[in-house]
Amino acid sequence: GAGVSQSPRYKVAKRGQDVALRCDPISGHVSLFWYQQALGQGPEFLTYFQNEAQLDKSGLPSDRFFAERPEGSVSTLKIQRTQQEDSAVYLCASSSHRASYGYTFGSGTRLTVV
Amino acid sequence: ELKVEQNPLFLSMQEGKNYTIYCNYSTTSDRLYWYRQDPGKSLESLFVLLSNGAVKQEGRLMASLDTKARLSTLHITAAVHDLSATYFCAVDRALNQFYFGTGTSLTVIP
Repeated sequence: GAGVSQSPRYKVAKRGQDVALRCDPISGHVSLFWYQQALGQGPEFLTYFQNEAQLDKSGLPSDRFFAERPEGSVSTLKIQRTQQEDSAVYLCASSSHRASYGYTFGSGTRLTVV
Repeated sequence: ELKVEQNPLFLSMQEGKNYTIYCNYSTTSDRLYWYRQDPGKSLESLFVLLSNGAVKQEGRLMASLDTKARLSTLHITAAVHDLSATYFCAVDRALNQFYFGTGTSLTVIP
């Protein structure tokens, strides 16, 4: 596609529920990133994939967060047993190479945990 | 841990005026990025600055980078309402991880 596509755009989850957020990167982009953006804050790094390999997951806040990209294209960010502090916008970005021209971000998924 | 600080955090300016947003970062990096974010929208890439002394301009916006001072500036010339948005700078460490500043919320008043 022409851009990075994320779904759903909005998700309301009850505390304790599991959620799965999807990211379709730009076709051919080998690098894929997940960021978490709390209200009024800048995005914070969660994890990075190069093709199907998860090269950095140091930003995942707890073991309730899990990301995968099994075929090197679509990625899923899964949050288990959601908590209120997980409420944020989750942004996905992709790039064809190491950031020489910046990353292309998707529109994000706004997660609200009630 | 790399820290990225922007100031001001909030900026209200009249149309036609000039102003500068500052971005300081705490450790060495050769790459700095500026993004724009409209309310409820994603991040739009504005500039990528790849070396010391780099200067890029697009319309009423001009960005510069001083890697020795660990400082980047985003200068706004003759502001117009359409520039109202939140502006983020971000620094790229070698391991493909962006560190974003807290953002500068710009409001241009007619």
